[in-house]
Amino acid sequence: GAVVSQHPSRVICKSGTSVKIECRSLDFQATTMFWYRQFPKKSLMLMATSNEGSKATYEQGVEKDKFLINHASLTLSTLTVTSAHPEDSSFYICSASLKQGNQPQHFGDGTRLSIL
Amino acid sequence: QQPVQSPQAVILREGEDAVINCSSSKALYSVHWYRQKHGEAPVFLMILLKGGEQKGHEKISASFNEKKQQSSLYLTASQLSYSGTYFCGTEKWDSNSGYALNFGKGTSLLVTP
Repeated sequence: GAVVSQHPSRVICKSGTSVKIECRSLDFQATTMFWYRQFPKKSLMLMATSNEGSKATYEQGVEKDKFLINHASLTLSTLTVTSAHPEDSSFYICSASLKQGNQPQHFGDGTRLSIL
Repeated sequence: QQPVQSPQAVILREGEDAVINCSSSKALYSVHWYRQKHGEAPVFLMILLKGGEQKGHEKISASFNEKKQQSSLYLTASQLSYSGTYFCGTEKWDSNSGYALNFGKGTSLLVTP
Protein backbone atom coordinates (compact mmCIF):
# COMPACT_ATOMS: atom_id res chain seq x y z
CA GLY A 1 0.00 0.00 0.00
CA ALA A 2 0.84 3.73 0.05
CA VAL A 3 1.95 4.10 -3.55
CA VAL A 4 2.78 7.50 -4.99
CA SER A 5 2.99 7.95 -8.73
CA GLN A 6 4.83 10.86 -10.34
CA HIS A 7 4.66 11.83 -13.97
CA PRO A 8 6.50 12.46 -16.20
CA SER A 9 9.74 10.77 -15.22
CA ARG A 10 11.85 12.76 -17.63
CA VAL A 11 11.38 16.08 -19.38
CA ILE A 12 13.68 17.82 -21.79
CA CYS A 13 12.50 21.15 -23.11
CA LYS A 14 13.59 24.54 -24.34
CA SER A 15 14.21 27.54 -22.16
CA GLY A 16 11.05 29.56 -21.57
CA THR A 17 8.71 26.56 -21.56
CA SER A 18 6.44 25.84 -18.61
CA VAL A 19 6.49 22.28 -17.34
CA LYS A 20 3.83 20.56 -15.25
CA ILE A 21 4.66 17.62 -12.99
CA GLU A 22 1.92 15.49 -11.46
CA CYS A 23 2.01 13.61 -8.20
CA ARG A 24 -0.74 11.14 -7.39
CA SER A 25 -1.40 9.01 -4.35
CA LEU A 26 -2.80 5.82 -5.87
CA ASP A 27 -4.23 3.92 -2.96
CA PHE A 28 -4.70 6.46 -0.23
CA GLN A 29 -5.88 10.00 0.30
CA ALA A 30 -3.12 12.47 1.00
CA THR A 31 -4.16 15.61 2.79
CA THR A 32 -0.60 16.82 2.52
CA MET A 33 1.96 16.34 -0.20
CA PHE A 34 5.52 17.62 -0.34
CA TRP A 35 7.71 18.78 -3.18
CA TYR A 36 11.47 18.42 -3.09
CA ARG A 37 14.30 19.38 -5.35
CA GLN A 38 17.52 17.43 -5.47
CA PHE A 39 20.80 18.38 -7.15
CA PRO A 40 23.28 15.66 -8.10
CA LYS A 41 24.81 14.00 -5.05
CA LYS A 42 23.02 16.41 -2.77
CA SER A 43 20.29 16.18 -0.20
CA LEU A 44 16.56 16.55 -0.71
CA MET A 45 15.62 20.18 -0.39
CA LEU A 46 12.04 20.80 0.66
CA MET A 47 10.47 23.33 -1.69
CA ALA A 48 6.91 23.48 -0.45
CA THR A 49 4.19 21.73 1.47
CA SER A 50 0.97 21.29 -0.44
CA ASN A 51 -2.29 21.01 1.45
CA GLU A 52 -5.48 19.96 -0.28
CA GLY A 53 -7.83 22.86 -0.85
CA SER A 54 -5.50 25.57 0.36
CA LYS A 55 -2.46 27.48 -0.78
CA ALA A 56 0.90 25.77 -0.63
CA THR A 57 3.42 26.81 1.99
CA TYR A 58 6.77 27.57 0.39
CA GLU A 59 10.16 27.28 2.06
CA GLN A 60 12.33 30.33 2.34
CA GLY A 61 14.04 31.18 -0.90
CA VAL A 62 11.62 29.29 -3.13
CA GLU A 63 9.80 31.55 -5.60
CA LYS A 64 6.10 30.83 -5.45
CA ASP A 65 5.47 32.50 -8.82
CA LYS A 66 8.13 30.33 -10.39
CA PHE A 67 7.02 27.05 -8.88
CA LEU A 68 3.23 26.93 -8.91
CA ILE A 69 1.67 24.24 -6.79
CA ASN A 70 -1.91 23.11 -6.97
CA HIS A 71 -3.48 20.47 -4.76
CA ALA A 72 -6.96 20.22 -6.15
CA SER A 73 -7.91 16.85 -4.73
CA LEU A 74 -6.86 14.44 -2.01
CA THR A 75 -4.98 12.33 -4.54
CA LEU A 76 -3.37 14.85 -6.86
CA SER A 77 -0.87 17.65 -6.49
CA THR A 78 0.83 19.38 -9.39
CA LEU A 79 4.01 21.42 -9.62
CA THR A 80 4.37 23.76 -12.57
CA VAL A 81 7.77 25.21 -13.30
CA THR A 82 6.92 28.39 -15.14
CA SER A 83 9.14 29.83 -17.87
CA ALA A 84 11.84 27.31 -17.05
CA HIS A 85 15.49 28.18 -17.52
CA PRO A 86 18.62 25.99 -17.48
CA GLU A 87 19.19 26.72 -13.78
CA ASP A 88 15.84 25.06 -13.06
CA SER A 89 17.21 21.76 -14.33
CA SER A 90 17.10 19.31 -11.46
CA PHE A 91 15.49 16.19 -10.04
CA TYR A 92 12.07 17.00 -8.58
CA ILE A 93 10.44 14.51 -6.21
CA CYS A 94 7.08 14.54 -4.52
CA SER A 95 6.02 12.65 -1.44
CA ALA A 96 2.90 12.06 0.58
CA SER A 97 2.05 10.64 3.96
CA LEU A 98 -1.10 9.03 5.24
CA LYS A 99 -1.64 11.65 7.86
CA GLN A 100 0.12 14.50 9.55
CA GLY A 101 3.05 13.86 11.82
CA ASN A 102 5.13 10.81 12.73
CA GLN A 103 4.27 9.01 9.51
CA PRO A 104 6.55 7.64 6.81
CA GLN A 105 6.74 9.67 3.65
CA HIS A 106 6.12 7.76 0.44
CA PHE A 107 7.97 9.15 -2.52
CA GLY A 108 7.15 9.29 -6.17
CA ASP A 109 9.82 8.12 -8.61
CA GLY A 110 10.89 11.67 -9.35
CA THR A 111 11.05 13.79 -12.47
CA ARG A 112 14.33 14.65 -14.08
CA LEU A 113 13.94 18.06 -15.69
CA SER A 114 16.48 19.26 -18.23
CA ILE A 115 16.12 22.73 -19.70
CA LEU A 116 18.17 23.43 -22.79
CA GLN B 1 17.07 23.12 10.92
CA GLN B 2 18.96 20.51 8.96
CA PRO B 3 20.17 17.50 10.97
CA VAL B 4 23.87 16.67 10.81
CA GLN B 5 24.82 13.31 9.35
CA SER B 6 28.10 11.50 9.63
CA PRO B 7 30.10 10.09 8.03
CA GLN B 8 29.70 11.61 4.57
CA ALA B 9 30.73 8.41 2.85
CA VAL B 10 31.58 4.83 3.72
CA ILE B 11 33.08 2.03 1.66
CA LEU B 12 32.62 -1.48 2.99
CA ARG B 13 33.38 -4.99 1.96
CA GLU B 14 30.46 -7.37 1.88
CA GLY B 15 29.82 -8.71 5.36
CA GLU B 16 31.23 -5.71 7.21
CA ASP B 17 29.23 -3.47 9.54
CA ALA B 18 28.55 0.25 9.39
CA VAL B 19 27.02 2.91 11.60
CA ILE B 20 25.54 6.15 10.33
CA ASN B 21 24.78 8.95 12.74
CA CYS B 22 22.25 11.75 12.68
CA SER B 23 22.22 14.53 15.25
CA SER B 24 20.44 17.73 16.08
CA SER B 25 21.07 20.55 18.52
CA LYS B 26 17.42 20.42 19.61
CA ALA B 27 15.20 17.58 20.78
CA LEU B 28 13.30 16.07 17.88
CA TYR B 29 9.71 14.92 17.41
CA SER B 30 10.94 11.90 15.51
CA VAL B 31 13.66 10.64 13.19
CA HIS B 32 13.09 9.02 9.82
CA TRP B 33 15.61 6.95 7.87
CA TYR B 34 15.52 6.53 4.09
CA ARG B 35 17.74 4.91 1.50
CA GLN B 36 18.07 6.27 -2.02
CA LYS B 37 19.72 4.44 -4.88
CA HIS B 38 21.16 6.41 -7.77
CA GLY B 39 18.48 7.88 -10.01
CA GLU B 40 15.65 6.55 -7.86
CA ALA B 41 13.33 7.94 -5.22
CA PRO B 42 14.11 7.52 -1.52
CA VAL B 43 12.65 4.46 0.16
CA PHE B 44 11.43 4.54 3.74
CA LEU B 45 13.38 2.35 6.16
CA MET B 46 12.05 3.20 9.60
CA ILE B 47 10.86 5.91 11.95
CA LEU B 48 11.74 6.36 15.60
CA LEU B 49 9.48 8.28 17.90
CA LYS B 50 10.54 7.74 21.48
CA GLY B 51 13.68 8.53 23.40
CA GLY B 52 15.65 5.35 24.06
CA GLU B 53 13.87 3.49 21.29
CA GLN B 54 15.55 0.83 19.21
CA LYS B 55 13.96 -0.54 16.11
CA GLY B 56 14.54 -2.72 13.11
CA HIS B 57 15.79 -6.22 12.64
CA GLU B 58 19.05 -8.07 12.85
CA LYS B 59 20.55 -6.64 9.70
CA ILE B 60 19.31 -3.02 9.66
CA SER B 61 18.33 -1.34 12.87
CA ALA B 62 18.31 2.11 14.43
CA SER B 63 18.33 3.77 17.81
CA PHE B 64 17.14 7.09 19.18
CA ASN B 65 18.89 8.41 22.27
CA GLU B 66 17.07 9.37 25.47
CA LYS B 67 17.34 13.10 24.81
CA LYS B 68 15.96 12.61 21.29
CA GLN B 69 18.82 14.52 19.77
CA GLN B 70 20.73 11.71 18.12
CA SER B 71 19.89 8.65 16.09
CA SER B 72 22.12 5.97 14.66
CA LEU B 73 21.46 3.53 11.84
CA TYR B 74 23.22 0.17 12.10
CA LEU B 75 23.94 -1.94 9.04
CA THR B 76 25.16 -5.38 10.02
CA ALA B 77 26.83 -7.94 7.77
CA SER B 78 26.32 -5.62 4.81
CA GLN B 79 25.13 -6.88 1.46
CA LEU B 80 25.75 -5.45 -1.99
CA SER B 81 22.12 -4.30 -2.08
CA TYR B 82 22.76 -1.98 0.85
CA SER B 83 24.68 0.40 -1.38
CA GLY B 84 23.05 3.78 -1.76
CA THR B 85 22.73 7.10 0.01
CA TYR B 86 21.15 7.09 3.43
CA PHE B 87 19.27 10.12 4.65
CA CYS B 88 17.90 10.88 8.04
CA GLY B 89 14.93 13.21 8.22
CA THR B 90 13.70 15.15 11.19
CA GLU B 91 10.21 16.52 11.53
CA LYS B 92 9.48 20.18 11.86
CA TRP B 93 6.12 21.78 12.48
CA ASP B 94 4.76 24.98 11.02
CA SER B 95 1.44 26.55 11.94
CA ASN B 96 0.59 27.12 8.27
CA SER B 97 1.67 23.89 6.69
CA GLY B 98 1.81 21.38 9.54
CA TYR B 99 4.52 18.73 9.59
CA ALA B 100 7.36 18.46 7.11
CA LEU B 101 10.77 16.76 6.99
CA ASN B 102 14.21 18.30 6.99
CA PHE B 103 16.73 15.90 5.52
CA GLY B 104 20.39 15.58 6.41
CA LYS B 105 23.02 15.83 3.67
CA GLY B 106 23.15 12.07 3.32
CA THR B 107 25.72 9.32 3.79
CA SER B 108 26.90 7.56 0.68
CA LEU B 109 27.44 3.86 1.34
CA LEU B 110 29.20 1.57 -1.11
CA VAL B 111 29.43 -2.14 -0.46
CA THR B 112 32.00 -3.95 -2.55
CA PRO B 113 32.35 -7.69 -3.20
